[in-house]
Amino acid sequence: KAGVTQTPRYLIKTRGQQVTLSCSPISGHRSVSWYQQTPGQGLQFLFEYFSETQRNKGNFPGRFSGRQFSNSRSEMNVSTLELGDSALYLCASSKTDRGLSYEQYFGPGTRLTVT
Amino acid sequence: AQSVAQPEDQVNVAEGNPLTVKCTYSVSGNPYLFWYVQYPNRGLQFLLKYITGDNLVKGSYGFEAEFNKSQTSFHLKKPSALVSDSALYFCAVRDMRSNYQLIWGAGTKLIIKP
Repeated sequence: KAGVTQTPRYLIKTRGQQVTLSCSPISGHRSVSWYQQTPGQGLQFLFEYFSETQRNKGNFPGRFSGRQFSNSRSEMNVSTLELGDSALYLCASSKTDRGLSYEQYFGPGTRLTVT
Repeated sequence: AQSVAQPEDQVNVAEGNPLTVKCTYSVSGNPYLFWYVQYPNRGLQFLLKYITGDNLVKGSYGFEAEFNKSQTSFHLKKPSALVSDSALYFCAVRDMRSNYQLIWGAGTKLIIKP
């Protein structure tokens, strides 16, 4: 079974631009979560989607948004990029049982650099 | 408030010695507990989980973890450390009463010295 895939793997943007990252979960997984990982801040939760609905949200500004499609694929968007948005963005999927998610399986991440 | 604590930023262990990476949590209800590992320049990988049942759970790469409800802890252990175990370890807890939100610890860097 194919793992979680994320595209693109690397991205360089300039301040003020916007970016869209894509995530394809493991087949059959309906929950998708997004994380930001930086050396200084560790792993920060962005949001979780389940059945096309945002179920949980971390403490990030409104510039960070996401969505999930009917095939469970997910995208996250960051508008008006700031230098501090440079990070590794990780997507994780998990199977669910009556809405309850179990362990997460992570993609390789998208390395975003903002200049 | 719900929280997960990994009290040690870094743990140093000599190869062949037993290792313990600590995790304590504060969530309401009966939590689901997880350990993940991130090897250098590699993605996060699921290691093991506790849902219910035996307090000692076994996972990948010879790791195990012990759930202690009274101490609200879920420490990760391995009887004999390998240099290849050097990595960043994260503890996570799913809060069953808060929309199944997954709460993460800050991570512990494990360094195994030959």
